[in-house]
Amino acid sequence: AQTVTQSQPEMSVQEAETVTLSCTYDTSESDYYLFWYKQPPSRQMILVIRQEAYKQQNATENRFSVNFQKAAKSFSLKISDSQLGDAAMYFCAYRSGNTGKLIFGQGTTLQVKP
Amino acid sequence: NAGVTQTPKFRILKIGQSMTLQCTQDMNHNYMYWYRQDPGMGLKLIYYSVGAGITDKGEVPNGYNVSRSTTEDFPLRLELAAPSQTSVYFCASRKGLAGSADTQYFGPGTRLTVL
Repeated sequence: AQTVTQSQPEMSVQEAETVTLSCTYDTSESDYYLFWYKQPPSRQMILVIRQEAYKQQNATENRFSVNFQKAAKSFSLKISDSQLGDAAMYFCAYRSGNTGKLIFGQGTTLQVKP
Repeated sequence: NAGVTQTPKFRILKIGQSMTLQCTQDMNHNYMYWYRQDPGMGLKLIYYSVGAGITDKGEVPNGYNVSRSTTEDFPLRLELAAPSQTSVYFCASRKGLAGSADTQYFGPGTRLTVL
């Protein structure tokens, strides 16, 4: 069975600084996709960034980028130029390319200090 | 285009009662999912469906049942509610494009309390 682990329950960053959130996963599959979701206090789940496992190039979306290390099964999220609106809970997620099952890590609460 | 809708938004149940959480999507998505999120925790997959008539268990299926008679609807049934089922429940859907990291859309959630 696949598992997703986020080892940082809480992180904080100064506004305008850069922060990296960690995620590791375990799988024996070769076909899968990885995601980072943001959940603000409204509970809405917002897709931040996605990565196909077959792509070597790291995904980037504006201030958000990932460091995808396939051999190490690591998928960290880097937030540059942090803004107050980035404060939220962030979830790493794994989706099987075989079954379509999508599982989540435990989450990391990000605090942004002004 | 309403996306993924869930009803009710809030519900309080007594121990032993039953209820159905409704989920509907109007995007003609093949895949649908049910998750629960306990306070301060991540989302746990309860059940999912890859199309009408097909369902499969997720990580925490005990105490729940699902059905998928149409593409649009994916109700979650709680039989004999227990306090451990107090949680926020999210429904989600996606098209299911082969070889694609297609976007998964989430509903607003249902907050369920079992007393």
